[in-house]
Amino acid sequence: DTEVTQTPKHLVMGMTNKKSLKCEQHMGHRAMYWYKQKAKKPPELMFVYSYEKLSINESVPSRFSPECPNSSLLNLHLHALQPEDSALYLCASSQVGTSADTQYFGPGTRLTVL
Amino acid sequence: AQSVTQLDSHVSVSEGTPVLLRCNYSSSYSPSLFWYVQHPNKGLQLLLKYTSAATLVKGINGFEAEFKKSETSFHLTKPSAHMSDAAEYFCVPLVGSSASKIIFGSGTRLSIRP
Repeated sequence: DTEVTQTPKHLVMGMTNKKSLKCEQHMGHRAMYWYKQKAKKPPELMFVYSYEKLSINESVPSRFSPECPNSSLLNLHLHALQPEDSALYLCASSQVGTSADTQYFGPGTRLTVL
Repeated sequence: AQSVTQLDSHVSVSEGTPVLLRCNYSSSYSPSLFWYVQHPNKGLQLLLKYTSAATLVKGINGFEAEFKKSETSFHLTKPSAHMSDAAEYFCVPLVGSSASKIIFGSGTRLSIRP
């Protein structure tokens, strides 16, 4: 199984809502990632978890809150988002988070903030 | 620090003709380089990766890339384009060694004419 799953596929939320994005993998990977991708742009790294600990936070606003409850699951909690946060949010995983790892990506959650 | 330049934002070829997507890197040492593909409204998939084992790297779906240190290039090629190759292609260098922090190139959109 080389699949990373993400739910929901689409999400529409208001600026006062609280919602969560979920990512799951069962490949035994110990590194998981969140990326943000705006239309016609490359993905931008947001967070990296390595062995369930946050190892990289790319100066992401606090209205985005990641959580890694276990090695298979990664959440992104959203609160008080702005319309400019509308984007495709991609999750990825890799074996141990070293420079030679291949990252496996999920299909993404397309988020629209009204 | 490593970075890449994808020389063409858009490439259009006819079905059955060769594909060339160009990527040049800048680095003070031999880099590790990836090519990822993203089909419309999908996540990213690894096409191939170079990690200094062999300069000619074969990937999935008939794609290959050759690492040329003298030209600081890692161009992606395919002998015969297929309609299903229409997608966005990203050249990606690896940054750092303690975690898989990757910074995507700007991307090249490949269109296939019937």
